[in-house]
Amino acid sequence: DTAVSQTPKYLVTQMGNDKSIKCEQNLGHDTMYWYKQDSKKFLKIMFSYNNKELIINETVPNRFSPKSPDKAHLNLHINSLELGDSAVYFCASSPWTGVGETQYFGPGTRLLVL
Amino acid sequence: DAKTTQPPSMDCAEGRAANLPCNHSTISGNEYVYWYRQIHSQGPQYIIHGLKNNETNEMASLIITEDRKSSTLILPHATLRDTAVYYCIVRVGASGGGADGLTFGKGTHLIIQP
Repeated sequence: DTAVSQTPKYLVTQMGNDKSIKCEQNLGHDTMYWYKQDSKKFLKIMFSYNNKELIINETVPNRFSPKSPDKAHLNLHINSLELGDSAVYFCASSPWTGVGETQYFGPGTRLLVL
Repeated sequence: DAKTTQPPSMDCAEGRAANLPCNHSTISGNEYVYWYRQIHSQGPQYIIHGLKNNETNEMASLIITEDRKSSTLILPHATLRDTAVYYCIVRVGASGGGADGLTFGKGTHLIIQP
């Protein structure tokens, strides 16, 4: 009954490789997000999508490309991985309408670039 | 979104009430106070939110001062599983829709002592 799931949980790869992280939510939400938590534990928004459309695109290198095949899925593809991309990536979802919507987070994907 | 200030860490004895303060002196009239927490190696978890009235749910209580410049999150009977980083976030409620990312600060690392 996992609400927001991510795969893989751990990802170890070499510099220069291309990798994808997948996210799925079964909450029926319209909005999904990607956050990055760096080694200093700061958690920052990267992207948000509403019903498959990009809403927020923070200052993120264009090596990062989110893809939303449907409103229940938001994948993150990273090209030409760099050492600085090592972090924990969290997916989240929320309803689109309503005051003070709650965001539900996935368990995170721990990416280590060697 | 308004900025928040929280103590970096706090201790609390198991079974006691944990009171976590948050200052948000620049909060605007349409901004809500949200609390999330992040247990080690997990994704952030929503706890509670409020606008100006005190709020209570099954997890915690939120006390907001009359001038709304500060608030306190209360965990009434803290357990070891409440050890986590607690984030106080101030943001506009998504009335009518919104996909804004959450802006996480450094939070308060609450340690529940046995």
